[in-house]
Amino acid sequence: GENVEQHPSTLSVQEGDSAVIKCTYSDSASNYFPWYKQELGKRPQLIIDIRSNVGEKKDQRIAVTLNKTAKHFSLHITETQPEDSAVYFCAAVSSRSNDYKLSFGAGTTVTVRA
Amino acid sequence: DTGVSQDPRHKITKRGQNVTFRCDPISEHNRLYWYRQTLGQGPEFLTYFQNEAQLEKSRLLSDRFSAERPKGSFSTLEIQRTEQGDSAMYLCASSFFHSEETQYFGPGTRLLVL
Repeated sequence: GENVEQHPSTLSVQEGDSAVIKCTYSDSASNYFPWYKQELGKRPQLIIDIRSNVGEKKDQRIAVTLNKTAKHFSLHITETQPEDSAVYFCAAVSSRSNDYKLSFGAGTTVTVRA
Repeated sequence: DTGVSQDPRHKITKRGQNVTFRCDPISEHNRLYWYRQTLGQGPEFLTYFQNEAQLEKSRLLSDRFSAERPKGSFSTLEIQRTEQGDSAMYLCASSFFHSEETQYFGPGTRLLVL
């Protein structure tokens, strides 16, 4: 099955700086890569996603890049704000089966220092 | 709130007891997923339904676990003879047939088995 690794496990940044989280996946048939943000005690919230036919996608202060050859994808948050503090999860969906189940990384705890 | 809802939000039970959780997906979402999340980890796939049909079960889903979605709307997840190792957050997600890989999560049910 798909195996997703995520780094770093914790990330502390100064408000206004950028944050980058990296993930690698093992299944070359994976073709959909969402990112979820989970605040303490709350549901995972989809913040951005990318499909394998696209190399980069932006939405305001967040962007995701995908390198299919290297099988890795990254989340970039610019101009970080205190409300960006949360746990971020990357995930991958393989096209090998029709289940569309998400395989998650272990998460990155982001702390934005004011 | 028109998002995915779950009930109860918290459940404390004694080892050996049975528990049942409910998930109400977003209206007209045909797919419904159950995931389990333990502390410091990303969610792990348990099972999913397409309408009322349960199409896949993870090996994580032992014989003590059963899930149903009788009318293709809400779903229930029952754990029989709970064990301390069942303590986790149980998350439900749903997706629409136009974009089945895009899953929206509920707030989860946090289970503590004493």
